[in-house]
Amino acid sequence: SAVISQKPSRDICQRGTSLTIQCQVDSQVTMMFWYRQQPGQSLTLIATANQGSEATYESGFVIDKFPISRPNLTFSTLTVSNMSPEDSSIYLCSAGGDQPQHFGDGTRLSIL
Amino acid sequence: DAKTTQPPSMDCAEGRAANLPCNHSTISGNEYVYWYRQIHSQGPQYIIHGLKNNETNEMASLIITEDRKSSTLILPHATLRDTAVYYCTEPLESNYGGSQGNLIFGKGTKLSVKP
Repeated sequence: SAVISQKPSRDICQRGTSLTIQCQVDSQVTMMFWYRQQPGQSLTLIATANQGSEATYESGFVIDKFPISRPNLTFSTLTVSNMSPEDSSIYLCSAGGDQPQHFGDGTRLSIL
Repeated sequence: DAKTTQPPSMDCAEGRAANLPCNHSTISGNEYVYWYRQIHSQGPQYIIHGLKNNETNEMASLIITEDRKSSTLILPHATLRDTAVYYCTEPLESNYGGSQGNLIFGKGTKLSVKP
């Protein structure tokens, strides 16, 4: 099964700033996804990261707030832009396709 | 919104079998059911998945009813390390032949294994 590494594992940021989260997979995968998990809640899908094209966003999430890149089959980034305290969450990357999705351990983001 | 429903919490004695139910009454014919668990401070861990036949792996067994409207995850000999939130999930859409896709997570079942 794929091993997913996320960086940073946690960060504390000032409101109004932006943070880019990196997701590295140890093998080529067809699908990569980004999820958000707010404190005490379940996971919510933000978007599907498409290799070579624009990400597909779920309802309630927009590209200007959460720009995503996927330059190849093993790497993706999620940027959380113009952060506010409401963006304090765990952001998780997952990878799958031919195999069940596997998740990284997430990035714990706190905005002051 | 989540397409699956699970009890919010369950207790299990260490060494006993843990049976975790899930209702997925709106599942379509080619959608798989996936089970994950999340231990505190970690990302979700894949456990098992199935379409219509019962499945078993080194972690658990999955029993799916004949009408596919519900399933049960069985941990045959629960240990303290199995304490976690267990999620039964389905793909958002059957865009990928039912074998994979955007997963919709409900609130899950918080399983507490007690000595």
